Amino acid sequence: DAEITQSPRHKITETGRQVTLACHQTWNHNNMFWYRQDLGHGLRLIHYSYGVHDTNKGEVSDGYSVSRSNTEDLPLTLESAASSQTSVYFCASSEFSEQYFGPGTRLTVT
Amino acid sequence: AQSVTQPDIHITVSEGASLELRCNYSYGATPYLFWYVQSPGQGLQLLLKYFSGDTLVQGIKGFEAEFKRSQSSFNLRKPSVHWSDAAEYFCAVGDPSGYALNFGKGTSLLVTP
Repeated sequence: DAEITQSPRHKITETGRQVTLACHQTWNHNNMFWYRQDLGHGLRLIHYSYGVHDTNKGEVSDGYSVSRSNTEDLPLTLESAASSQTSVYFCASSEFSEQYFGPGTRLTVT
Repeated sequence: AQSVTQPDIHITVSEGASLELRCNYSYGATPYLFWYVQSPGQGLQLLLKYFSGDTLVQGIKGFEAEFKRSQSSFNLRKPSVHWSDAAEYFCAVGDPSGYALNFGKGTSLLVTP
């Protein structure tokens, strides 16, 4: 069955370190998205991609970057982790508007 | 810009009682509308969606939602709640010109015996 996976599921890192969160989907979807979920804020869009080599900034993109070198993967990089980036991160993919979500990565920045 | 409001942060219902979760959106045209459910420690699962046509849409797990253009609402309903329905529920609006979604802040549902 097609699926979307995220790794690692849990990560603890130190302030200032570079961190990369992986997202892999086997749906063969063109569209991929990264969200962060924080209490009281719901899900907020970080970056998204509508195809290979396409990337776009979302609502809360500062401090994050993505690259899309193939259809299946959209890794999210925190260039210099900050405590404010402690959150749960969700990746999603879609062919049209209906999005399918991964299980999430809980990131703690100490 | 489009936006979504879920007025209720927390809702508590008794098992077997009916449920209605509110969602209001702000958008110039007819948007694409979604309800997702998130169980503790899990990702989001799509419950139902509205693109066009019949304003009453049926979803999984016995949920339904009604699109009311005049009220800019897309409320989620279930006639009889089960303990397993306890979760976080998110309403989302999509822009027909793109594929990103704008989510509400969520409503946490507690089901009491």
